Order: sequence, then structure tokens, then C-alpha cells
Amino acid sequence: AQKVTQAQTEISVVEKEDVTLDCVYETRDTTYYLFWYKQPPSGELVFLIRRNSFDEQNEISGRYSWNFQKSTSSFNFTITASQVVDSAVYFCALSEAEQAGTALIFGKGTTLSVSS
Amino acid sequence: DSGVTQTPKHLITATGQRVTLRCSPRSGDLSVYWYQQSLDQGLQFLIQYYNGEERAKGNILERFSAQQFPDLHSELNLSSLELGDSALYFCASSAGDLSTDTQYFGPGTRLTVL
Repeated sequence: AQKVTQAQTEISVVEKEDVTLDCVYETRDTTYYLFWYKQPPSGELVFLIRRNSFDEQNEISGRYSWNFQKSTSSFNFTITASQVVDSAVYFCALSEAEQAGTALIFGKGTTLSVSS
Repeated sequence: DSGVTQTPKHLITATGQRVTLRCSPRSGDLSVYWYQQSLDQGLQFLIQYYNGEERAKGNILERFSAQQFPDLHSELNLSSLELGDSALYFCASSAGDLSTDTQYFGPGTRLTVL
């Protein structure tokens, strides 16, 4: 069965520290898609990145980077030089190509607190 | 701003009542999804509509129903409300019906059942 595990419930860092949020997924599909979303204190869910199972290249976007490793079924998210505005709950999600519809399966989320 | 709108933002009602949550997708998007976020269950997929037709069902209770109208807006109806239905309800939309499509979320409707 498909599943997304974010083992870190809460992480606290001080500004300018680097932080990595872990995401491990389970799926029997060979084609699938992985996502990260951010939920700031205001409550909305903000899309950050989508990665398909055929593309294992790491991606960098400003202070954000993502490391996708099929061998360990992981899709980790690193924030470099964290800032207070990065404080939020971060969700990793999985979408499988073989199932009807395109529902996202979310992990439980990691709450990141960045203090000044 | 994702372009997905949801109304109302907050809703407070009593047990046994019925409410309707409304969602307007991003311009051009054909798929609408409903998710429930609660403290104990996390973010759970409820139902998806694509161009007016139901496409997929998740953990949606029989007391809950949804539809997508010809103008592509969607409504989620929750009836015989229980305390446990208190949650944040999100609507998301995507361009099509493929797993490659990114889902963009609205700001959510916070439902409180007293």
C-alpha cells in the first residue's frame, strides 16, 4: 500500500542554520510523483515542488534543495540558511500514476520552527 | 495566491446540522479535489471531480457528498454533522486528470461543530 512517512514531527533551529526535512515513501508503482507543500501559520497549503519517479536529479531553488533517491525511497528537503519566515508545517506527498484519479497521499508533516 | 477560492473562510454550526462548502478552481482547471485536515487524521483525500464527473473517492463518509457544476465550481455538502467533523477542509484544483498535474490549494474552510 502507498504510504508517506515524515518521521520528524517537530524541528527547531536558529536562523541561518541549515535544516533537512526527511520524507520516505512506499509505493508499488514504477511511475509516481512526489511533492512538497508548505503550510505557514496562516493555514493555506503552498506548492513547492513536484518530482517524477524517472527524474532523480537533485533540484535547487534559491535556499531550497531537494534530494530524491529511489534506492532508499526518500525525497528529502533541505533549507539552507534558514529564516524566521521558513517557520511552517511542511508536507511531503505522493501521487501514483496507476490508480484511478490523482489523489495526493500526504505524510503527517514536519513542523519547523526557526527562531531569531 | 493560488487562484483557488473557497467560501466561507470559517463556519460554526451545531451537531446534526448540514453545511455547504464552496470552491472555485483556478481559471482553466478542470479537476477539483476535496481534502480534510484534522489533528488526528492529518490531511486526507475525500473526493475528486473532473469536468463535472466524479473521478476518485477517498475516505469520504456517506454523510458527505460533493458535486461539480457546469461552470466547474464545486460544492461539498456535509450533513448530520458530528463533533468529529470539525476540521479544515481544503479544495484543490489542477489542469487535468493526470498524476503529473500539480494540485493548487485554496485557503481552506475551517468548520467548527459545537
